[in-house]
Amino acid sequence: AQKVTQAQTEISVVEKEDVTLDCVYETRDTTYYLFWYKQPPSGELVFLIRRNSFDEQNEISGRYSWNFQKSTSSFNFTITASQVVDSAVYFCALSEWPFSSGSARQLTFGSGTQLTVLP
Amino acid sequence: NAGVTQTPKFQVLKTGQSMTLQCAQDMNHNSMYWYRQDPGMGLRLIYYSASEGTTDKGEVPNGYNVSRLNKREFSLRLESAAPSQTSVYFCASSSTGVGSNQPQHFGDGTRLSIL
Repeated sequence: AQKVTQAQTEISVVEKEDVTLDCVYETRDTTYYLFWYKQPPSGELVFLIRRNSFDEQNEISGRYSWNFQKSTSSFNFTITASQVVDSAVYFCALSEWPFSSGSARQLTFGSGTQLTVLP
Repeated sequence: NAGVTQTPKFQVLKTGQSMTLQCAQDMNHNSMYWYRQDPGMGLRLIYYSASEGTTDKGEVPNGYNVSRLNKREFSLRLESAAPSQTSVYFCASSSTGVGSNQPQHFGDGTRLSIL
């Protein structure tokens, strides 16, 4: 069975601080996908990034960066110079690899980290 | 560009009432999903449909039924609502294919309260 653990339930930082959100996953699959989603106070889920299991390159997108380490089963998310608008719940998720053309990909979510950025 | 549309956005039911949550997507996706979100538990998959005409149970299917009406629409039905089904329900869709790396796109959610 797949499992995603986000041990940090809530984090508070002051604006302009850097913050890292941790994500640890468990899977028996050798190939899989990892995702991060953002849920702002308005409630919708916003896709941030996907990473497949055989690409361990770190990725940077503006103030966001992601560190994928297969050896430790972690996919951590760092926000540099945080802003008040970054306040949200962030979810890490894991999905199986679709091996057939008609297969759906079930997402297993972590319980989320509530990030509050104070002005 | 609507993406995934859920109706209604809010609903209050009494225990024992029935209700259908509607979901439609305009992205020509093959797969559709229903999740529920409870405080501190993230999202959990209720049912999914890999393609038109097929449905499968997810992690928490008890008390729910689904219908994949056509490629665009995937509804979730509560036959006899219970207070434990008070939650926020999200519909999602995604494209499929071998090795497909497309993310799931989510609707804005339906906030359901069962009294």
